[in-house]
Amino acid sequence: DGGITQSPKYLFRKEGQNVTLSCEQNLNHDAMYWYRQDPGQGLRLIYYSQIVNDFQKGDIAEGYSVSREKKESFPLTVTSAQKNPTAFYLCASSIWPGNNVLTFGAGSRLTVL
Amino acid sequence: AQSVTQLDSHVSVSEGTPVLLRCNYSSSYSPSLFWYVQHPNKGLQLLLKYTSAATLVKGINGFEAEFKKSETSFHLTKPSAHMSDAAEYFCPRGSSNTGKLIFGQGTTLQVKP
Repeated sequence: DGGITQSPKYLFRKEGQNVTLSCEQNLNHDAMYWYRQDPGQGLRLIYYSQIVNDFQKGDIAEGYSVSREKKESFPLTVTSAQKNPTAFYLCASSIWPGNNVLTFGAGSRLTVL
Repeated sequence: AQSVTQLDSHVSVSEGTPVLLRCNYSSSYSPSLFWYVQHPNKGLQLLLKYTSAATLVKGINGFEAEFKKSETSFHLTKPSAHMSDAAEYFCPRGSSNTGKLIFGQGTTLQVKP
């Protein structure tokens, strides 16, 4: 079955450490997105990519980095510069140009100890 | 700026009674509007989407939504709530030039037995 796989599902990190969240899709979608979810704040866009080797900052990109070396992969690195990284992270993909129908992964929950 | 407002952060209904989740959007000549559902610690699942073909949109699991341009609303309804409907609901709008979704704060639906 086609879909999006995020890993790990749960991750614990000490302050000052960088961590990378994996996102892989086998839907042959061109566009991929990373959202952050905090209680009561909905989803906020971190980064998005419409094509391999290109990506754009979203609304809250500070303290995060991404790469898009392959069409099916869009990893997110949470750096030590991110002041409040504890959150639920969701990866999504869609066709591009498209109709805004995003398919979401199951999410990764990051907790900073 | 394009935005959505979910008018209730929390809605509680009894099993078997109707569900109404309210969503307003900032005016746009051609909005793409969606409803997604998220169960705890899961990704988002598409319930339905509006893309100007019909004002009453039927989705999965008995949900439907009506687009009312004069009221800039896209409320979600279901005639009879089921316990499995308890979840977080989002009504994002699409950004045509980037493909991304713009989210509101979400509505938590509680279903009481």
